[in-house]
Amino acid sequence: DTAVSQTPKYLVTQMGNDKSIKCEQNLGHDTMYWYKQDSKKFLKIMFSYNNKELIINETVPNRFSPKSPDKAHLNLHINSLELGDSAVYFCASSHPGHHTYEQYFGPGTRLTVT
Amino acid sequence: KNEVEQSPQNLTAQEGEFITINCSYSVGISALHWLQQHPGGGIVSLFMLSSGKKKHGRLIATINIQEKHSSLHITASHPRDSAVYICAVRPGNQFYFGTGTSLTVIP
Repeated sequence: DTAVSQTPKYLVTQMGNDKSIKCEQNLGHDTMYWYKQDSKKFLKIMFSYNNKELIINETVPNRFSPKSPDKAHLNLHINSLELGDSAVYFCASSHPGHHTYEQYFGPGTRLTVT
Repeated sequence: KNEVEQSPQNLTAQEGEFITINCSYSVGISALHWLQQHPGGGIVSLFMLSSGKKKHGRLIATINIQEKHSSLHITASHPRDSAVYICAVRPGNQFYFGTGTSLTVIP
């Protein structure tokens, strides 16, 4: 059983398009995250949601918007895609408790913008 | 300047060697994470530390809050340990990542 799943695994699209990446977790966790890993393999957090509230919002372009229909899902919508958006996007989840923030990562979505 | 610095950036070891990867950070934190990214790209959370030391199998992670420093040790290294190891710190609700240490263990 997959704990954190993402779809699609690969996404190739043209500049200017709008696309979405879906993430689902079946761990019953309260918090979900989106990370971007650039071509230099540097990870950066983009968003996190806790009980449908945005609690981290790094300085990402407003073309990126997270959407959480329920606690188990956090989808990433990207409008007007640019070449620089090409990266691997990872979804993760955790259950914050007392000093407990273990994260479980999805397999990643490789986005290529041409 | 990155809030999290890791060393070394690249490390090659012979199978069986004891390995140490270091992480220094410049911000006050509530927790520090060690992550492992496999050659296929998947990321696994190894440890979350807020103080002291944790051990899981051949992996040991330590943290010194006063010195703002953490180490990840691998005992009896094996080729399957070859991966990128990433340190991440959590000051409040933020996350900052190191650039990773690429480890190759040669049989």
